Amino acid sequence: AIRMTQSPSSFSASTGDRVTITCRASQGITSFLGWYQQKPGKAPKLLIYGTSTLQSGVPSRFSGSGSGTDFTLTISSLQSEDFATYYCQQYYSYPLTFGGGTKVEIK
Amino acid sequence: EVQLVESGGGLVQPGGSLRLSCAASGFTFSSYWMTWVRQAPGKGLEWVADIKQDGSETYYVDSVKGRFTISRDDAKNSLYLQMDSLRAEDSAVYYCAKEDLVWGSYRKFDYWGQGTLVTVSS
Repeated sequence: AIRMTQSPSSFSASTGDRVTITCRASQGITSFLGWYQQKPGKAPKLLIYGTSTLQSGVPSRFSGSGSGTDFTLTISSLQSEDFATYYCQQYYSYPLTFGGGTKVEIK
Repeated sequence: EVQLVESGGGLVQPGGSLRLSCAASGFTFSSYWMTWVRQAPGKGLEWVADIKQDGSETYYVDSVKGRFTISRDDAKNSLYLQMDSLRAEDSAVYYCAKEDLVWGSYRKFDYWGQGTLVTVSS
């Protein structure tokens, strides 16, 4: 199975900060990567698919980049509603796998 | 409006069985892959299984192969997960999600249910 490793696992940031979350795949997955946001007690929400395509309705402050094994999710200016846990997911091959998650907390 | 509503969770003893259901509405259910994802308490997301539109293809994470069976009833707009030989490590919130294939390649879980809790304990 392809292992997805996210870093950091958690960090604190302030509203307005530019934040970057990294996801590394244990083998190349071309651009078959998605990002999800999850708030406590809620279902995950799709943010980005195909590495960089924003899901409809997702604010443009979210962006994704990368290819092969290294990917990033960037939030250009952190808003209060962005404090959550973020997961990357590969769908290059089965079993589909998620990263361990990155919790973004308020500083 | 797309809605996915899971049901069937609960407390079950190790070795027991449970059948989860996911009722779908607001989209043409028969046209989409569907998937199950779980989340153990305080842990991350784990993909469990998915099923093609016509049920002709199913895939599972290794840890549930031979114990869980994903199925669908397009006439009832429903997705199922039959879980047998349950273990403590299967305890989790189970989410169903609509799976869309964009340009035939890019998978995205674009709608999720609220989840149903399964607890395996004696």
